[in-house]
Amino acid sequence: GDSVTQMEGPVTLSEEAFLTINCTYTATGYPSLFWYVQYPGEGLQLLLKATKADDKGSNKGFEATYRKETTSFHLEKGSVQVSDSAVYFCALSRAGGYNKLIFGAGTRLAVHP
Amino acid sequence: GAVVSQHPSWVICKSGTSVKIECRSLDFQATTMFWYRQFPKQSLMLMATSNEGSKATYEQGVEKDKFLINHASLTLSTLTVTSAHPEDSSFYICSARERGIAGGPRTQYFGPGTRLLVL
Repeated sequence: GDSVTQMEGPVTLSEEAFLTINCTYTATGYPSLFWYVQYPGEGLQLLLKATKADDKGSNKGFEATYRKETTSFHLEKGSVQVSDSAVYFCALSRAGGYNKLIFGAGTRLAVHP
Repeated sequence: GAVVSQHPSWVICKSGTSVKIECRSLDFQATTMFWYRQFPKQSLMLMATSNEGSKATYEQGVEKDKFLINHASLTLSTLTVTSAHPEDSSFYICSARERGIAGGPRTQYFGPGTRLLVL
């Protein structure tokens, strides 16, 4: 079945460091891919998405490129801030049906001043 | 932007009581809403898919009679945890999928979550 695998956390970085959170997926066809962010005690917020191969999603300095050949959707940010500390979830949704989201396990990011 | 609200945000109840959680899409119509459960430091587990005007579709292992879902309108879905027990304590999150063009990608927007503690 469809699945999403994320790198295990926690990821601990200093402010202004470069961030990469790896995400790979297994799915038939051409799923849509998402990154969601969850701040402490809150629900999920959509961070960015890509719906077809080679699409790049971007938002708030974060980027991820849909790589069909490597079935990956790695999240990157050039310079993280303390306020980026949160849990990041990679997810996929297949077209058709009810577009159920399948989530990765989540990666906790802690950014220190 | 698309906003989804949940009420209440926190609920503490005694074992054996029932708790109702509301999920509302505030500025868009949602033909489909999803209910998730999240345990501490874990990912979201889809419990059920709720479609307006029809019965919810439950994921394997989720008790239908325990977690009653009603999707009465295009902006409201409710989850009722019946005869709650301490093991039902969790963070419950809903999401709403916007009504869009058939076959096209549709984004899910998440509510802020409801933390349930059963004593």
